[in-house]
Amino acid sequence: EVQLVESGGGLVKSGGSLRLSCAASGFTFNDAWMSWVRQAPGKGLEWVGRIKSKTDGGTTDYAAPVKGRFTISRDDSKNTLYVQMNSLKTEDTAVYYCVTSYDYGSGSYYNFWGQGTLVTVSS
Amino acid sequence: QSVLTQPPSVSGAPGQRVTISCTGSSSNIGAGYDVHWYQQLPGTAPKLLISANSNRPSGVPDRFSGSKSGTSASLAITGLQADDEADYYCQSYDTSLSTSVFGGGTKLTVL
Repeated sequence: EVQLVESGGGLVKSGGSLRLSCAASGFTFNDAWMSWVRQAPGKGLEWVGRIKSKTDGGTTDYAAPVKGRFTISRDDSKNTLYVQMNSLKTEDTAVYYCVTSYDYGSGSYYNFWGQGTLVTVSS
Repeated sequence: QSVLTQPPSVSGAPGQRVTISCTGSSSNIGAGYDVHWYQQLPGTAPKLLISANSNRPSGVPDRFSGSKSGTSASLAITGLQADDEADYYCQSYDTSLSTSVFGGGTKLTVL
């Protein structure tokens, strides 16, 4: 059974930093492309960024609102995905979901989701 | 303002059929990128409902179906049940933004 368990959320002041972790199990993590998706309170879903598997280059892509401030990384030895969030803004307040990302020629979709971790950025 | 447009809400009585639309443009759905649908039950994480326009993952009832045409896609739910009450999101890829994009979500109410 696929399990994705996020941790590291909490309250942080504007301009601060936070690192989220996602412990993965139930699938071959080192072969997986992984993404973060967030959801502001009462709002819709927003893709944050993605990291490819190391065998596919391990490269990252980010949504415009977080580019230059967020860094996604992975530790395949620990089956763990991370996102380092710096220069946080109040608009980054959201539940952050760790998701498995299935990418193919006609797009990508997110087949498994964690339970999410809440990040609150105060002014 | 979401790149993919969904109606904010739809409703139907138990047993009825409802559809949820997802309208994009020539830089996403119209460019040939597939549409995927997610169901988010109250207080829970989203779950993949339909992939690649019309494919149901294992465990998803065949009451749920998806289709795509031109710059739009639709999710149909037949035989509505009370526990179908949820938010539904469409998702695709946008070549102008070079990112994955979601619709704003549609709240389904079962009357």
